[in-house]
Amino acid sequence: AQSVAQPEDQVNVAEGNPLTVKCTYSVSGNPYLFWYVQYPNRGLQFLLKYITGDNLVKGSYGFEAEFNKSQTSFHLKKPSALVSDSALYFCAVRDDSNYQLIWGAGTKLIIKP
Amino acid sequence: DAMVIQNPRYQVTQFGKPVTLSCSQTLNHNVMYWYQQKSSQAPKLLFHYYDKDFNNEADTPDNFQSRRPNTSFCFLDIRSPGLGDAAMYLCATSRVQGRTGELFFGEGSRLTVL
Repeated sequence: AQSVAQPEDQVNVAEGNPLTVKCTYSVSGNPYLFWYVQYPNRGLQFLLKYITGDNLVKGSYGFEAEFNKSQTSFHLKKPSALVSDSALYFCAVRDDSNYQLIWGAGTKLIIKP
Repeated sequence: DAMVIQNPRYQVTQFGKPVTLSCSQTLNHNVMYWYQQKSSQAPKLLFHYYDKDFNNEADTPDNFQSRRPNTSFCFLDIRSPGLGDAAMYLCATSRVQGRTGELFFGEGSRLTVL
């Protein structure tokens, strides 16, 4: 069965430090992977996606993600965290059987000044 | 700016009193989705439309219905809300189902059931 996992419920990072939010996946074919961000009481916003090509994907707000096929991971990264990056982050993979997104449980990112 | 607009942002209803949430889009996307999200959990797909074709998720309760009268609008009807239906309801759109495009979300409608 296809699935996506975000092993950390919460990640705490000091402002200015690099951040990583982890995501691993399990799919039968080639993965279509996505990261979304949700600020409090707001809808989700698309950050970036991996379909094919370069393993390092750049997205909005200075975020990037690295696709690693051997480790079946798609970790979200940012070189220098901002307090305004504090939010809920969701990783998702496309379900090949119906083309809908399978969502991770979400990781709460807290950036402390 | 093209966008997805949900109304109302906050809805309070009484147990068993029907509620309708609306979603409109100016993106001219073919696909519209309704998700339910509880307590910062992952969003749960309730149903989606590909143009006028309605697709209901197998575990979506019968209490939830949807209408899409035209490309731009989609409605979520909750016929008899229970306490367990209190949640954030998210509308989203995408260009074409089966492609690799991302979803565009509205700001959500938060439903409180008293």
